[in-house]
Amino acid sequence: AQSVTQLDSQVPVFEEAPVELRCNYSSSVSVYLFWYVQYPNQGLQLLLKYLSGSTLVKGINGFEAEFNKSQTSFHLRKPSVHISDTAEYFCAVTGNTGFQKLVFGTGTRLLVSP
Amino acid sequence: GAGVSQSPSNKVTEKGKDVELRCDPISGHTALYWYRQSLGQGLEFLIYFQGNSAPDKSGLPSDRFSAERTGGSVSTLTIQRTQQEDSAVYLCASSLRPSGNFAHTQYFGPGTRLTVL
Repeated sequence: AQSVTQLDSQVPVFEEAPVELRCNYSSSVSVYLFWYVQYPNQGLQLLLKYLSGSTLVKGINGFEAEFNKSQTSFHLRKPSVHISDTAEYFCAVTGNTGFQKLVFGTGTRLLVSP
Repeated sequence: GAGVSQSPSNKVTEKGKDVELRCDPISGHTALYWYRQSLGQGLEFLIYFQGNSAPDKSGLPSDRFSAERTGGSVSTLTIQRTQQEDSAVYLCASSLRPSGNFAHTQYFGPGTRLTVL
């Protein structure tokens, strides 16, 4: 079984500042990792995913994440945020053999202010 | 192309009534998933379909919850005798194949917000 921990429930940041949203996971098997974003009253939109290969993954809207197997982390970063990045961000994990459901973290609300 | 669609977008019902929530997956996607998003429990897996069969129903919270999928496409989640704790946003997702070996991404619909009074 897998689990995901997002320690920060809310991250306030000023526009154009850098941001990092933290995600740690635990699993007894190899995993695939995902970040989804949810804007108010909308569904989940995939930001980026790690399947294999390069540990630095680039996604949409200027976001990137780095898979660190030794630290079991998959932190999300953006060098300069915009007001429009205000949303809820979810880290998710699934095992990489057969069907396995997505297991989500509790989410981090990113609040970008001018 | 068209994404995952869900209907209705909002549903308000009285305690004890039955409700049906519909999901139309992306055309050609063989796998379909239902999740529930609530304040107290976060995002929880409910059930997964591969074609018309449901190999994993482990997340359904009680026997009041059931789901079916027909024609390898549309799916309906039915909640019987609704309770206030069923109030949540119900999200549907689809993928070209199941996650895992082929690691195909799950694409989510906008959700149905269910409020049980």
